[in-house]
Amino acid sequence: DAKTTQPNSMESNEEEPVHLPCNHSTISGTDYIHWYRQLPSQGPEYVIHGLTSNVNNRMASLAIAEDRKSSTLILHRATLRDAAVYYCILRGVTSGTYKYIFGTGTRLKVLA
Amino acid sequence: GAVVSQHPSWVICKSGTSVKIECRSLDFQATTMFWYRQFPKQSLMLMATSNEGSKATYEQGVEKDKFLINHASLTLSTLTVTSAHPEDSSFYICSARDMQGARNEKLFFGSGTQLSVL
Repeated sequence: DAKTTQPNSMESNEEEPVHLPCNHSTISGTDYIHWYRQLPSQGPEYVIHGLTSNVNNRMASLAIAEDRKSSTLILHRATLRDAAVYYCILRGVTSGTYKYIFGTGTRLKVLA
Repeated sequence: GAVVSQHPSWVICKSGTSVKIECRSLDFQATTMFWYRQFPKQSLMLMATSNEGSKATYEQGVEKDKFLINHASLTLSTLTVTSAHPEDSSFYICSARDMQGARNEKLFFGSGTQLSVL
Protein backbone atom coordinates (compact mmCIF):
# COMPACT_ATOMS: atom_id res chain seq x y z
CA ASP A 1 0.00 0.00 0.00
CA ALA A 2 1.29 3.41 -0.94
CA LYS A 3 2.03 5.66 2.04
CA THR A 4 1.73 9.35 2.77
CA THR A 5 3.96 11.60 4.85
CA GLN A 6 2.68 14.72 6.59
CA PRO A 7 4.06 17.12 9.20
CA ASN A 8 2.85 16.24 12.68
CA SER A 9 1.46 19.67 13.42
CA MET A 10 0.99 23.16 12.01
CA GLU A 11 -0.31 26.46 13.29
CA SER A 12 -2.20 29.19 11.52
CA ASN A 13 -3.73 32.51 12.45
CA GLU A 14 -7.45 32.90 12.06
CA GLU A 15 -8.61 34.22 8.67
CA GLU A 16 -5.26 33.49 7.04
CA PRO A 17 -4.68 30.85 4.37
CA VAL A 18 -3.27 27.49 5.39
CA HIS A 19 -1.24 25.17 3.19
CA LEU A 20 -1.06 21.59 4.44
CA PRO A 21 1.56 19.51 2.57
CA CYS A 22 1.56 15.78 1.87
CA ASN A 23 4.24 13.62 0.26
CA HIS A 24 3.28 10.43 -1.51
CA SER A 25 6.31 9.46 -3.56
CA THR A 26 5.18 5.83 -4.04
CA ILE A 27 1.81 6.77 -5.53
CA SER A 28 0.69 4.62 -8.43
CA GLY A 29 -0.97 5.89 -11.58
CA THR A 30 -4.46 4.89 -10.50
CA ASP A 31 -4.34 6.10 -6.88
CA TYR A 32 -6.62 8.97 -5.98
CA ILE A 33 -5.50 11.54 -3.40
CA HIS A 34 -8.04 12.15 -0.65
CA TRP A 35 -8.13 14.50 2.31
CA TYR A 36 -10.23 14.02 5.42
CA ARG A 37 -10.29 15.83 8.73
CA GLN A 38 -11.18 14.65 12.19
CA LEU A 39 -12.36 16.54 15.23
CA PRO A 40 -11.79 15.00 18.69
CA SER A 41 -13.96 11.98 19.46
CA GLN A 42 -15.63 12.08 16.05
CA GLY A 43 -15.38 10.17 12.82
CA PRO A 44 -13.43 11.79 9.99
CA GLU A 45 -15.13 14.12 7.53
CA TYR A 46 -14.47 14.21 3.79
CA VAL A 47 -12.73 17.36 2.59
CA ILE A 48 -11.65 16.90 -1.02
CA HIS A 49 -10.11 14.46 -3.48
CA GLY A 50 -8.39 14.49 -6.84
CA LEU A 51 -6.42 12.43 -9.34
CA THR A 52 -4.23 14.69 -11.47
CA SER A 53 -5.76 18.14 -11.80
CA ASN A 54 -6.16 20.73 -9.08
CA VAL A 55 -9.58 20.69 -7.44
CA ASN A 56 -11.70 23.27 -5.67
CA ASN A 57 -14.80 22.89 -3.56
CA ARG A 58 -16.59 24.95 -0.94
CA MET A 59 -14.33 23.68 1.84
CA ALA A 60 -10.86 23.78 0.31
CA SER A 61 -8.59 23.51 -2.70
CA LEU A 62 -6.28 20.65 -3.60
CA ALA A 63 -3.10 21.36 -5.50
CA ILE A 64 -1.44 18.28 -7.00
CA ALA A 65 2.15 18.32 -8.20
CA GLU A 66 2.74 17.52 -11.84
CA ASP A 67 4.57 14.28 -10.97
CA ARG A 68 1.82 13.49 -8.40
CA LYS A 69 4.39 12.71 -5.73
CA SER A 70 3.08 15.46 -3.48
CA SER A 71 -0.03 17.51 -2.90
CA THR A 72 -1.17 20.46 -0.82
CA LEU A 73 -4.50 21.07 0.84
CA ILE A 74 -5.32 24.76 0.91
CA LEU A 75 -7.77 26.29 3.36
CA HIS A 76 -8.30 29.79 2.01
CA ARG A 77 -9.31 31.45 5.28
CA ALA A 78 -8.79 29.41 8.41
CA THR A 79 -11.42 29.64 11.12
CA LEU A 80 -11.38 28.26 14.64
CA ARG A 81 -13.70 25.50 13.45
CA ASP A 82 -11.00 24.30 11.06
CA ALA A 83 -8.83 23.16 13.96
CA ALA A 84 -8.62 19.39 13.47
CA VAL A 85 -6.34 16.56 12.40
CA TYR A 86 -6.05 16.51 8.61
CA TYR A 87 -5.32 13.22 6.92
CA CYS A 88 -3.93 12.79 3.43
CA ILE A 89 -4.87 9.39 2.02
CA LEU A 90 -4.16 7.48 -1.13
CA ARG A 91 -7.18 5.56 -2.37
CA GLY A 92 -5.88 2.47 -4.12
CA VAL A 93 -7.43 -0.72 -5.43
CA THR A 94 -6.55 -4.16 -4.08
CA SER A 95 -8.14 -7.25 -5.62
CA GLY A 96 -10.82 -5.09 -7.16
CA THR A 97 -11.75 -3.38 -3.88
CA TYR A 98 -11.11 0.24 -3.02
CA LYS A 99 -8.76 0.71 -0.09
CA TYR A 100 -8.25 3.84 1.99
CA ILE A 101 -5.13 3.81 4.15
CA PHE A 102 -4.69 6.69 6.58
CA GLY A 103 -1.33 8.32 7.21
CA THR A 104 -0.27 9.94 10.46
CA GLY A 105 -2.07 13.22 9.81
CA THR A 106 -1.32 16.87 10.59
CA ARG A 107 -2.82 18.47 13.68
CA LEU A 108 -3.83 22.00 12.70
CA LYS A 109 -4.06 24.60 15.41
CA VAL A 110 -5.81 27.86 14.56
CA LEU A 111 -4.92 30.86 16.65
CA ALA A 112 -7.51 33.56 17.33
CA GLY B 1 -27.19 13.52 2.52
CA ALA B 2 -24.81 10.57 2.92
CA VAL B 3 -25.24 9.89 6.61
CA VAL B 4 -23.63 6.94 8.35
CA SER B 5 -25.08 6.06 11.73
CA GLN B 6 -22.97 4.09 14.20
CA HIS B 7 -24.22 2.64 17.47
CA PRO B 8 -23.52 2.57 20.28
CA SER B 9 -21.43 5.70 20.76
CA TRP B 10 -19.74 4.19 23.75
CA VAL B 11 -19.85 0.90 25.58
CA ILE B 12 -18.30 -0.45 28.75
CA CYS B 13 -18.15 -4.20 29.16
CA LYS B 14 -16.57 -6.83 31.33
CA SER B 15 -13.61 -8.84 30.14
CA GLY B 16 -14.72 -12.00 28.34
CA THR B 17 -18.01 -10.66 27.02
CA SER B 18 -18.84 -9.86 23.39
CA VAL B 19 -19.84 -6.48 22.05
CA LYS B 20 -21.65 -5.72 18.80
CA ILE B 21 -21.29 -2.41 16.98
CA GLU B 22 -23.70 -1.45 14.21
CA CYS B 23 -23.01 0.73 11.20
CA ARG B 24 -25.86 1.87 8.97
CA SER B 25 -25.92 3.97 5.83
CA LEU B 26 -29.13 5.95 6.23
CA ASP B 27 -29.74 7.47 2.83
CA PHE B 28 -27.60 5.50 0.41
CA GLN B 29 -26.62 1.96 -0.43
CA ALA B 30 -23.15 0.88 0.57
CA THR B 31 -21.79 -2.19 -1.16
CA THR B 32 -18.52 -1.70 0.68
CA MET B 33 -18.00 -0.69 4.28
CA PHE B 34 -14.73 -0.32 6.16
CA TRP B 35 -13.90 -0.79 9.82
CA TYR B 36 -11.10 1.13 11.50
CA ARG B 37 -9.77 1.32 15.03
CA GLN B 38 -8.00 4.25 16.57
CA PHE B 39 -5.92 4.54 19.73
CA PRO B 40 -5.58 7.88 21.54
CA LYS B 41 -3.57 10.45 19.59
CA GLN B 42 -2.95 7.99 16.77
CA SER B 43 -4.21 7.64 13.24
CA LEU B 44 -6.94 5.32 12.02
CA MET B 45 -5.88 1.76 11.33
CA LEU B 46 -7.85 -0.19 8.75
CA MET B 47 -9.06 -3.46 10.24
CA ALA B 48 -11.18 -4.94 7.48
CA THR B 49 -13.15 -4.29 4.33
CA SER B 50 -16.69 -5.54 4.35
CA ASN B 51 -18.55 -6.33 1.13
CA GLU B 52 -22.29 -6.94 1.13
CA GLY B 53 -23.14 -10.60 0.89
CA SER B 54 -19.58 -11.89 1.10
CA LYS B 55 -16.89 -12.51 3.68
CA ALA B 56 -14.93 -9.57 4.97
CA THR B 57 -11.31 -9.07 3.98
CA TYR B 58 -9.12 -8.55 7.03
CA GLU B 59 -5.87 -6.62 7.15
CA GLN B 60 -2.71 -8.38 8.18
CA GLY B 61 -2.50 -8.87 11.92
CA VAL B 62 -6.24 -8.51 12.56
CA GLU B 63 -7.78 -11.65 14.02
CA LYS B 64 -10.89 -12.58 12.07
CA ASP B 65 -12.20 -14.82 14.86
CA LYS B 66 -11.81 -11.98 17.31
CA PHE B 67 -13.43 -9.27 15.21
CA LEU B 68 -16.44 -10.75 13.44
CA ILE B 69 -17.82 -8.66 10.62
CA ASN B 70 -21.19 -9.20 8.98
CA HIS B 71 -22.48 -7.17 6.05
CA ALA B 72 -25.87 -8.73 5.43
CA SER B 73 -27.52 -5.86 3.59
CA LEU B 74 -26.61 -2.82 1.52
CA THR B 75 -27.22 -0.55 4.48
CA LEU B 76 -25.95 -2.47 7.50
CA SER B 77 -22.60 -3.84 8.64
CA THR B 78 -21.83 -5.07 12.14
CA LEU B 79 -18.58 -5.59 14.01
CA THR B 80 -18.63 -7.99 16.94
CA VAL B 81 -15.68 -7.96 19.31
CA THR B 82 -15.72 -11.45 20.78
CA SER B 83 -14.38 -12.32 24.24
CA ALA B 84 -13.25 -8.75 24.72
CA HIS B 85 -10.14 -8.01 26.78
CA PRO B 86 -8.77 -4.72 28.09
CA GLU B 87 -6.34 -4.50 25.15
CA ASP B 88 -9.35 -4.36 22.80
CA SER B 89 -10.35 -1.03 24.35
CA SER B 90 -10.23 1.47 21.53
CA PHE B 91 -12.23 3.85 19.34
CA TYR B 92 -13.86 1.89 16.51
CA ILE B 93 -15.04 3.75 13.42
CA CYS B 94 -16.99 2.50 10.43
CA SER B 95 -17.19 4.07 7.03
CA ALA B 96 -19.08 3.45 3.82
CA ARG B 97 -18.84 4.26 0.16
CA ASP B 98 -21.85 5.46 -1.78
CA MET B 99 -21.78 3.44 -4.96
CA GLN B 100 -23.97 5.83 -6.91
CA GLY B 101 -22.99 8.77 -9.00
CA ALA B 102 -20.54 11.48 -8.17
CA ARG B 103 -20.18 10.48 -4.50
CA ASN B 104 -18.68 7.06 -5.18
CA GLU B 105 -15.10 8.15 -4.42
CA LYS B 106 -15.95 9.58 -1.03
CA LEU B 107 -15.92 7.80 2.30
CA PHE B 108 -18.61 8.69 4.79
CA PHE B 109 -17.83 7.93 8.40
CA GLY B 110 -19.85 7.04 11.44
CA SER B 111 -19.31 8.98 14.64
CA GLY B 112 -17.35 6.14 16.21
CA THR B 113 -17.75 3.80 19.17
CA GLN B 114 -15.56 4.09 22.24
CA LEU B 115 -15.14 0.61 23.71
CA SER B 116 -13.82 0.22 27.24
CA VAL B 117 -13.20 -3.30 28.50
CA LEU B 118 -12.84 -3.65 32.25
